Formats: sequence, structure tokens, C-alpha cells
Amino acid sequence: DTGVSQDPRHKITKRGQNVTFRCDPISEHNRLYWYRQTLGQGPEFLTYFQNEAQLEKSRLLSDRFSAERPKGSFSTLEIQRTEQGDSAMYLCASSFETAGAFFGQGTRLTVV
Amino acid sequence: QQQVKQSPQSLIVQKGGISIINCAYENTAFDYFPWYQQFPGKGPALLIAIRPDVSEKKEGRFTISFNKSAKQFSLHIMDSQPGDSATYFCAASNSGNTGKLIFGQGTTLQVKP
Repeated sequence: DTGVSQDPRHKITKRGQNVTFRCDPISEHNRLYWYRQTLGQGPEFLTYFQNEAQLEKSRLLSDRFSAERPKGSFSTLEIQRTEQGDSAMYLCASSFETAGAFFGQGTRLTVV
Repeated sequence: QQQVKQSPQSLIVQKGGISIINCAYENTAFDYFPWYQQFPGKGPALLIAIRPDVSEKKEGRFTISFNKSAKQFSLHIMDSQPGDSATYFCAASNSGNTGKLIFGQGTTLQVKP
């Protein structure tokens, strides 16, 4: 098991474009989370999946953001009509039940 | 009530010294308190974690002290090394609910040789 994998590691996009990030959690981890981290701040919760069900979304997650976890395996986070304020590190984490959460290396998004 | 407050914002320690970072929380439903270490450009790495049924947990040079009545917990790094220089985040969650982590603001630690 190589841990939580995120792709791509870096993404530069023009304002108004759509972007999609992928997260492959640790196998058999039923819980999956997306967080956003801006420079100098702690990660902020975006959304949570229990298996394939999206059970919680932060108010930070505007209508332009959508996340899926088909079949309870990998997850994708899509941002539509990107804005400069979306520039951040997007982190995925997974855990098995109430055990500790392990993070991926993140996807650094820059909107120009 | 969801906040986790962390201090200090930055810390400079000599090699071999003890680094101490403190956190406080409000939500009494929190039952899991991890510490994460993050290097620039990397994701946070789980360092050590504690649950409220114990007051202290030690793993190698890292110790968490937990005070349930004061709603405070702290990370102690013994014999600090230059390789420990990183940003440290405390966090808290209600693990029986969604388990989402509420993070502190982070502490940038610099260990001088």
C-alpha cells in the first residue's frame, strides 16, 4: 500500500476553466475527505464520503464545486468556472472508521 | 465552538531542546486529537494522536499531554533536531460522527543546529 495518492500534483489553469482532481485512498479505507489549504493556514474541511455516499459538505463548497466517489473507491473533485480565489492546495485524506486520517501530497491549483 | 486555537505561531528551539506547542478547543464532543507534521509542498503527515481516556501518550521523542477539564492538549518534542523543522498542526474531531478534522492555525518550528 503506497498511501493516499493524488493527481495531478500541480495544476495551472486560466480563470473560467474547469478542473478535476483525483484521489486514490488507501485501500479498504471507507472514509474519504477533501480539504483545502491556503498558504500559512491549516487545512479546511470541504466534504466527506462514507464509502460512496457524500454525507457532509462544508459551506465553503460553493455550487461550482462537486465531488464524487463512485463505488466507494477513488474520488474526484471538480471545480467549474475557476476563480483566482480557488488557488490553493487541495488535500485528500482517508481513514478506516474512527482511526487516524492519512493525507495525500495534495494538488496545488493556481488560477491565472 | 468548532475552533481549535493553537499557539505559538512560530517557535525557535536549539538542537537538543524541548519544543512545546499548545492547543485549546471548545467543542466537548471532540474525542480524537491528532498532531500533524507538514513540510513545504507536502501533505500533512500524522505524527501522534490521543483520545480523552488518557492524559498522556508518548511515541519516541513525541509526547501528547491532554487536559480534559481545561480542554487543552499539547505536543512536546524532546531532543529536538534540525530535521524536525516543519509546520505542526493540532486538530480535533468527533470520530463517531463524520470524523472531519478541525485544524489549528499551525506552528512553524525551526530547530537551530
